[in-house]
Amino acid sequence: NAGVTQTPKFRVLKTGQSMTLLCAQDMNHEYMYWYRQDPGMGLRLIHYSVGEGTTAKGEVPDGYNVSRLKKQNFLLGLESAAPSQTSVYFCASRRGQGSISGNQPQHFGDGTRLSIL
Amino acid sequence: QQPVQSPQAVILREGEDAVINCSSSKALYSVHWYRQKHGEAPVFLMILLKGGEQKGHDKISASFNEKKQQSSLYLTASQLSYSGTYFCGTATGTASKLTFGTGTRLQVTL
Repeated sequence: NAGVTQTPKFRVLKTGQSMTLLCAQDMNHEYMYWYRQDPGMGLRLIHYSVGEGTTAKGEVPDGYNVSRLKKQNFLLGLESAAPSQTSVYFCASRRGQGSISGNQPQHFGDGTRLSIL
Repeated sequence: QQPVQSPQAVILREGEDAVINCSSSKALYSVHWYRQKHGEAPVFLMILLKGGEQKGHDKISASFNEKKQQSSLYLTASQLSYSGTYFCGTATGTASKLTFGTGTRLQVTL
């Protein structure tokens, strides 16, 4: 059971380049999340999805786009990378539970370390 | 708004106890606790739902004070393996997302 798999694990980009980070989960989870983690700032939510075909903005969505075309996959795109987007990116997923939210644990991938020069 | 965690960092000797606090200015539905070791993904520890419950497993337990909108994580008889950064994540109402604190770095030494 792989859980949550993120690809790539490392990437170096030049300013202005674009790229897509892939998150795949094999637990049939409804909810998926993209976070960025910077020193001293904890985990900040970029975008999230509560089901296939749906996405919503988190705390720091600017400069990022997402898509959830398949339930198991959640893609994070950077259209024009900037040095401020240098960070470690984590994907997470969790079960939904009808209208009761907040009581299901999130399962995290191993992260993607992204450097933008 | 991020929940506030305290302390920001703590150093313990093996066998000592520690308490990590997480406070929110909003009414909370639940509080989640995660531990992250350096260079690794956060790992789920436990969830506390509103109602003032206390949970625990092994020597790590937590409480949730609904009146104060505060949760505390208790680590007793700390072990070297407890070292890492502890994050609380808070959920309000039926929100589908968590807001994480900035973390508490815990180091256990011999």
